[in-house]
Amino acid sequence: DGGITQSPKYLFRKEGQNVTLSCEQNLNHDAMYWYRQDPGQGLRLIYYSQIVNDFQKGDIAEGYSVSREKKESFPLTVTSAQKNPTAFYLCASQGDYGYTFGSGTRLTVV
Amino acid sequence: RKEVEQDPGPFNVPEGATVAFNCTYSNSASQSFFWYRQDCRKEPKLLMSVYSSGNEDGRFTAQLNRASQYISLLIRDSKLSDSATYLCVVNFGGYNKLIFGAGTRLAVHP
Repeated sequence: DGGITQSPKYLFRKEGQNVTLSCEQNLNHDAMYWYRQDPGQGLRLIYYSQIVNDFQKGDIAEGYSVSREKKESFPLTVTSAQKNPTAFYLCASQGDYGYTFGSGTRLTVV
Repeated sequence: RKEVEQDPGPFNVPEGATVAFNCTYSNSASQSFFWYRQDCRKEPKLLMSVYSSGNEDGRFTAQLNRASQYISLLIRDSKLSDSATYLCVVNFGGYNKLIFGAGTRLAVHP
């Protein structure tokens, strides 16, 4: 079945540590996105990519980095510069019928 | 003013009730509109797109009022399984313009 796979489902990060969240899709979609969701808030756009080897900052890109070396993959790195990284992270891709989301990664700073 | 605003709820309704959610958006140039459903600690899933002429899918009816810049979702004959958070999503145009409301929580009780 086609879809988006995010891993891991839960991730714990120590202060000052970089961590990378995986996002893989087999939907053959060009556009991919990373969103962050905090309790009681809407999703906020971190980064997006319209095509391989190209990506753009969203509304809250500071402290994050991405790469898009393959169409299927759009990993997100949460760097130590992100001061409040505890959140639910959602990856999505855009097809003809709207956005498809992965099941998310819940990141917690310990 | 937020770009997409929703009443956070919660809406507590008995099974069989009819419930309506409204959502307002600030950008008159918005091009497309969606309702997503998000279950607790899960990813959002597309419920339905919203068309200018209004559209219906079973017990769900979506309406768009461009003049007043709001969209609505009507759920008839509520089921326990309808309990979730409903996200209003507006595309202002382009890849980086999908804006999410914070969601309206619905709780259907026996």
